[in-house]
Amino acid sequence: NAGVTQTPKFRVLKTGQSMTLLCAQDMNHEYMYWYRQDPGMGLRLIHYSVGEGTTAKGEVPDGYNVSRLKKQNFLLGLESAAPSQTSVYFCASSSEDRAPGNTIYFGEGSWLTVV
Amino acid sequence: GENVGLHLPTLSVQEGDNSIINCAYSNSASDYFIWYKQESGKGPQFIIDIRSNMDKRQGQRVTVLLNKTVKHLSLQIAATQPGDSAVYFCAETHASGGSYIPTFGRGTSLIVHP
Repeated sequence: NAGVTQTPKFRVLKTGQSMTLLCAQDMNHEYMYWYRQDPGMGLRLIHYSVGEGTTAKGEVPDGYNVSRLKKQNFLLGLESAAPSQTSVYFCASSSEDRAPGNTIYFGEGSWLTVV
Repeated sequence: GENVGLHLPTLSVQEGDNSIINCAYSNSASDYFIWYKQESGKGPQFIIDIRSNMDKRQGQRVTVLLNKTVKHLSLQIAATQPGDSAVYFCAETHASGGSYIPTFGRGTSLIVHP
């Protein structure tokens, strides 16, 4: 019962390098999200997707790009990493229905350090 | 509660006590609220949720209270245990362009002393 799986779990990048974080969910969810979490802060939404082939900007989208080519996958890309992007990244997914119990399921997080 | 700077609000309780964690929201259009628990090094996990047409919902050892008049949400944990030590987040959703995207609070750190 995998749920939401993120890879890689840890990564160190040099300033200016690029990388992609992969998120996969096996719950047939329509909605997928990428959040970042910084010390003492809550979860801030980077980008999200309401279905295959769609993406939208969240609260802090600058410096990131996303793609949802398949319903089960949501990729987060950093084209030119900056130290300000050092953070813990969480992927999440949810069904389209907002009925109680249909809530957001999170991955275990990806720790990214940009030096 | 609200954060100041980089420090999370912290609630320290003794094992066996009841805990109350508070959350304020600002959007009067919010219609669905969720509480999450995040243990160190892990992703947030769902605890309990409530719709805006309710003012109370109970789960196992947890109760969520919603006061729409003052835009306040609380999570009550009965007989708090050391395993309840974690950061607790509230989240709200409201319709935005046909989608319902959750917005999270900054969190409250709960420390349970044996």
